[in-house]
Amino acid sequence: QQQVKQSPQSLIVQKGGISIINCAYENTAFDYFPWYQQFPGKGPALLIAIRPDVSEKKEGRFTISFNKSAKQFSLHIMDSQPGDSATYFCAASKRDDKIIFGKGTRLHILP
Amino acid sequence: ETGVTQTPRHLVMGMTNKKSLKCEQHLGHNAMYWYKQSAKKPLELMFVYNFKEQTENNSVPSRFSPECPNSSHLFLHLHTLQPEDSALYLCASSQGSSGRNEQYFGPGTRLTVT
Repeated sequence: QQQVKQSPQSLIVQKGGISIINCAYENTAFDYFPWYQQFPGKGPALLIAIRPDVSEKKEGRFTISFNKSAKQFSLHIMDSQPGDSATYFCAASKRDDKIIFGKGTRLHILP
Repeated sequence: ETGVTQTPRHLVMGMTNKKSLKCEQHLGHNAMYWYKQSAKKPLELMFVYNFKEQTENNSVPSRFSPECPNSSHLFLHLHTLQPEDSALYLCASSQGSSGRNEQYFGPGTRLTVT
């Protein structure tokens, strides 16, 4: 059973555009939602994370939007740059339990 | 660099070989993880160790045998592998094993089974 569903599988965006990646979860006990970014030849690295007590968290050009009632959260990358080309994983976890990753989105920003 | 190193970076082995993957973390973390990354299952958790004790085995075949001699080192012993085991094997560490703790990943070992 896939507990965190991520879409799209791949995404192509023009430089300067907005990249949007969506995730949905099933377990209402989840209370921590991180996003990890993975460049080719590297392991994933934490990009940004949110807890469900806020609806939005912004760090530079990266924003997580969170909709608790819909059990959905999304990553928005503003002014997308070629250097943002990577694979992005959403994830979810609950207290004292392991993290569950989505299947990833391969993002390509056209120069 | 993330503070997590993995060796070797690339490995080609036959189905009858025995090899080992090594992971070392220099972050003072207590938890260490093995993940398998492939096109079909991008981040598949295999094993979790917390304070050297195995706390999670995600139904991994016995041809994969982990070893955690201390909190800084993690090994994955491989024997009698199948071609479908070809993948990127990622090691990670975190301060605790809760999913709320940021995981720091190594660069991975690209394994090819022939």
